[in-house]
Amino acid sequence: DSGVTQTPKHLITATGQRVTLRCSPRSGDLSVYWYQQSLDQGLQFLIQYYNGEERAKGNILERFSAQQFPDLHSELNLSSLELGDSALYFCASSFDHSAGELFFGEGSRLTVL
Amino acid sequence: AQSVTQPDIHITVSEGASLELRCNYSYGATPYLFWYVQSPGQGLQLLLKYFSGDTLVQGIKGFEAEFKRSQSSFNLRKPSVHWSDAAEYFCAVAIFSGGYNKLIFGAGTRLAVHP
Repeated sequence: DSGVTQTPKHLITATGQRVTLRCSPRSGDLSVYWYQQSLDQGLQFLIQYYNGEERAKGNILERFSAQQFPDLHSELNLSSLELGDSALYFCASSFDHSAGELFFGEGSRLTVL
Repeated sequence: AQSVTQPDIHITVSEGASLELRCNYSYGATPYLFWYVQSPGQGLQLLLKYFSGDTLVQGIKGFEAEFKRSQSSFNLRKPSVHWSDAAEYFCAVAIFSGGYNKLIFGAGTRLAVHP
């Protein structure tokens, strides 16, 4: 158990819909990272937050947004969903933002029908 | 552009055999390098990391990796593979940009272990 909690574990929805994925980092960790894992794109970095502020951005679509709240949990919002958004979305956390070890949650599997 | 290449998509070894998973990176500065393992249905777990110093790094579960700057490589090795090592292995490099980092992963190598 990494200490990172992600909900929901599985989510099935339709195209055009909007979903929110939630992540609770390890106790004491200030940084949260979001990754998307799909068969064709592999593991893609989406976005990173540190202590409530956005710190780094990767291949995140404009239809996607994220935030980190004062209690340090984070949410990834995916809107206007397309079939190609079906993937496993991982949250990871670390104490700081300095490229140390990341602790990954078990992921949220999103299926868009 | 910075990148991580894992040339082998699938590798199959017999239990007890030795293992080497290849990783090459492209990054201008001295890299921070990592190997993660993902078991089925699980998140990624750190096996080992290289920041500086001794180029041979020991990790968990009997794994080690060697950083070779001249070859831009960070290959993962294990002398004797166990059936429980069957998983997907990801090499990653930390990219620093604007004072902050992001972790870039390779495409992964899926390891199958035959009894």
